[in-house]
Amino acid sequence: GAGVSQSPRYKVTKRGQDVALRCDPISGHVSLYWYRQALGQGPEFLTYFNYEAQQDKSGLPNDRFSAERPEGSISTLTIQRTEQRDSAMYRCASSPPGGNQPQHFGDGTRLSIL
Amino acid sequence: DAKTTQPNSMESNEEEPVHLPCNHSTISGTDYIHWYRQLPSQGPEYVIHGLTSNVNNRMASLAIAEDRKSSTLILHRATLRDAAVYYCILRTPLNTPLVFGKGTRLSVIA
Repeated sequence: GAGVSQSPRYKVTKRGQDVALRCDPISGHVSLYWYRQALGQGPEFLTYFNYEAQQDKSGLPNDRFSAERPEGSISTLTIQRTEQRDSAMYRCASSPPGGNQPQHFGDGTRLSIL
Repeated sequence: DAKTTQPNSMESNEEEPVHLPCNHSTISGTDYIHWYRQLPSQGPEYVIHGLTSNVNNRMASLAIAEDRKSSTLILHRATLRDAAVYYCILRTPLNTPLVFGKGTRLSVIA
């Protein structure tokens, strides 16, 4: 079946612009996670949702970052007034209901801020 | 989350078994041991998880020490496709986010 889909795959934008990254989880998956990964490092947690409720946003670096999942399916991670340090791979993962469920990751969005 | 310690890198010959160690001396009674791997240019991929007993699946085996302070991921016959970064992660039974460390970069030599 279809896996986690992220769009766009690549985004290049100028500093100061706003960007919106989209994640379409696997159908039926109730939990959705956003991570950021710098080159050569492991993914770093940003925020996650159970259904439409944002459970934890402690990993968002500052108030320029926000995320939503209004209908409990597709999620959008928005970065306002982008800065060069925001350049990274942004990864989304989803998992089905129940404890100890594995997370399924998308291919990520490579964000480059010029 | 409790911390894990893994070697930075390991090397294996193709078709040989590989034992990837992980130390987690501060593991709590409710922590499960999860392993993920990340192939080059791909997102992380779930491999296996366990609590106390050894576990086997089609990808690998997980051997957990009796005191649970360490574990070993076993790839029975390494292939070139197994070259990846392997992450050992402690996680409660709740579907909380994963906390990735630096992992072990496994190189497989033909």
